[in-house]
Amino acid sequence: AQSVTQLGSHVSVSEGALVLLRCNYSSSVPPYLFWYVQYPNQGLQLLLKYTSAATLVKGINGFEAEFKKSETSFHLTKPSAHMSDAAEYFCAVSDHMNTGFQKLVFGTGTRLLVSP
Amino acid sequence: DTEVTQTPKHLVMGMTNKKSLKCEQHMGHRAMYWYKQKAKKPPELMFVYSYEKLSINESVPSRFSPECPNSSLLNLHLHALQPEDSALYLCASSQRGLGQQETQYFGPGTRLLVL
Repeated sequence: AQSVTQLGSHVSVSEGALVLLRCNYSSSVPPYLFWYVQYPNQGLQLLLKYTSAATLVKGINGFEAEFKKSETSFHLTKPSAHMSDAAEYFCAVSDHMNTGFQKLVFGTGTRLLVSP
Repeated sequence: DTEVTQTPKHLVMGMTNKKSLKCEQHMGHRAMYWYKQKAKKPPELMFVYSYEKLSINESVPSRFSPECPNSSLLNLHLHALQPEDSALYLCASSQRGLGQQETQYFGPGTRLLVL
């Protein structure tokens, strides 16, 4: 079974600072990886996804992530944090169930705190 | 348009009540999902419908009863819930549910409180 690990349940940055949220995956086959963001009391919004077309993936709101096979990582970055980036971020890997259906396996999430 | 809508936004119910959650999408997707999310936890898959057929039931108690009347609509019927069922219930949809590269689009969720 595939899995993802998010290091750091909380990350604090100052406004304007670099954002780095870590995600490592475990997969025996080339993975499909996703980053979702969840603002307070809302659903999940797709930030970006990796589907093997390019190792550097650009997403919405200035976020990007780089797939590194040698490090089994898919870390999320943003050059300059905004107050509006404060939210919960989930890394997820797409797994294939025995029945053939897709199952998203989520990491435990990282809460990003942005201070003025 | 990548919108999934859910109603109601909030729901408070007693343990003897019967209520339903509704989810709708108009993206032409043929797979729809129900997730349960407890506070400060990631979403947990409950059910998957593909082409209006229940394809996956992740050992969910029978007090939760899903229904997919058509390809755009997904319901979750609730009966005799327990306080520990209080959570955010998220609906999602994707093209067919059969490809690992598919993107799941989530609704805003229904926050359920069971008293």
